[in-house]
Amino acid sequence: AQKVTQAQTEISVVEKEDVTLDCVYETRDTTYYLFWYKQPPSGELVFLIRRNSFDEQNEISGRYSWNFQKSTSSFNFTITASQVVDSAVYFCALSSPNTNAGKSTFGDGTTLTVKP
Amino acid sequence: NAGVMQNPRHLVRRRGQEARLRCSPMKGHSHVYWYRQLPEEGLKFMVYLQKENIIDESGMPKERFSAEFPKEGPSILRIQQVVRGDSAAYFCASSYSYEQYFGPGTRLTVT
Repeated sequence: AQKVTQAQTEISVVEKEDVTLDCVYETRDTTYYLFWYKQPPSGELVFLIRRNSFDEQNEISGRYSWNFQKSTSSFNFTITASQVVDSAVYFCALSSPNTNAGKSTFGDGTTLTVKP
Repeated sequence: NAGVMQNPRHLVRRRGQEARLRCSPMKGHSHVYWYRQLPEEGLKFMVYLQKENIIDESGMPKERFSAEFPKEGPSILRIQQVVRGDSAAYFCASSYSYEQYFGPGTRLTVT
């Protein structure tokens, strides 16, 4: 069975602070994909990143960066110099194309509030 | 290339009525997934369909819920005799291979 745990239910920071959202996953598959999505108050899901299990390189995109560590089964997401517009619920997800019919398993989300 | 489309975006039903949610996948995508997001929770898988076939319905409630993806036309998630507990956001995702693209969701409110 697959599982994604986002231990932080809510995080509140002041604008310009850095913040890291944790994601720990469980899977028996050797081939899998990890995702982060942003869900702003409007409710849609905004795709942020996909990482496959064979690529442990960390990635940076503007103020966003991701740290993938297979040894600890973690895929953490850091926002640098947070802004009020970053306020949203963030979901980490896992899918295995070869098993589980490719469906995604989501964490319960972390609600990030960035105060001005 | 238009993204995944879902309609309606908002749906209000009284208890006991039927709800029909539609999902048009991206062009060329033959896989459709439905997820449900209850208030304050993450998305939970419901069903995976390919054209005219249900591949995995392990997340579907056994009663009142059904899904189809006909050869022509959108995928339909149908909820019969809705109850208040069905109030949620229902997301559809489509894929060609392994990457899923999500639609904007349908917010169902049962009064």
